[in-house]
Amino acid sequence: GQQLNQSPQSMFIQEGEDVSMNCTSSSIFNTWLWYKQDPGEGPVLLIALYKAGELTSNGRLTAQFGITRKDSFLNISASIPSDVGIYFCAGLSGGGQNFVFGPGTRLSVLP
Amino acid sequence: KAGVTQTPRYLIKTRGQQVTLSCSPISGHRSVSWYQQTPGQGLQFLFEYFSETQRNKGNFPGRFSGRQFSNSRSEMNVSTLELGDSALYLCASRRGQGVDTEAFFGQGTRLTVV
Repeated sequence: GQQLNQSPQSMFIQEGEDVSMNCTSSSIFNTWLWYKQDPGEGPVLLIALYKAGELTSNGRLTAQFGITRKDSFLNISASIPSDVGIYFCAGLSGGGQNFVFGPGTRLSVLP
Repeated sequence: KAGVTQTPRYLIKTRGQQVTLSCSPISGHRSVSWYQQTPGQGLQFLFEYFSETQRNKGNFPGRFSGRQFSNSRSEMNVSTLELGDSALYLCASRRGQGVDTEAFFGQGTRLTVV
C-alpha cells in the first residue's frame, strides 16, 4: 500500500534556528497536508498544498509540493519554543479517498 | 465556526468491555474519518464515513465498527476491549472527498484499557 516516510525522525535545534523536514513516497499524491500535534491533542492543520511545485507560507512556515508529486518539504524559520511538537505530513492520491500519514518528525527546541 | 468535537476526552475501561466514542464534525462537513494513534504505530486509519455510508476501511479487526448519522455525527464502537486497544482515537472531518478538501482533527479521545 501507499506509505510515507518522514525525515528526520527527530531533531533538536536551538531557538532561533531554521528547520527543514521532508516527506517522501514511492507513490504520487495530488494533495499534501502538514500538521502539528502537541502532546495529548489532535493534529492541527498547518498548510495544504494542491499543485506540483506549489510553495505556500503560513507565517514562519513554508511548505512545498515537490515537482515529482512524490515529496513535500516543510521549513520553519526562526524557531521558537512553542514550535515543539510532532509534525506530520499527509498525502491524498487521486484514486484514494483517505489520507495516508507519515510517522512524524519530533521537533525539540532548546532555549 | 465550531471545530471537530470528540467526546469523551478520556475514558478508562476494563478488558472485555465495549466502548462507544462520538465525533461531531465541522458544520457542513459530510466526511468523518477515524484514526487510532499509538506511540509505536503512529496514525492508523480505521474507517471513513461519507453521507452515512462507510466508504473506506483500514486493516482493523471486526471488533472496531462505526456509523454515521444523518446529521453527519459519527460514532465508533470497540467491542471486547483488549489491552492493546489503549490509544488516542482521533476523528477528522472533511467537507467532501475530493482531492481539494482538507481534513481537520478533533482533540481525540484517550482510551485506557486496564
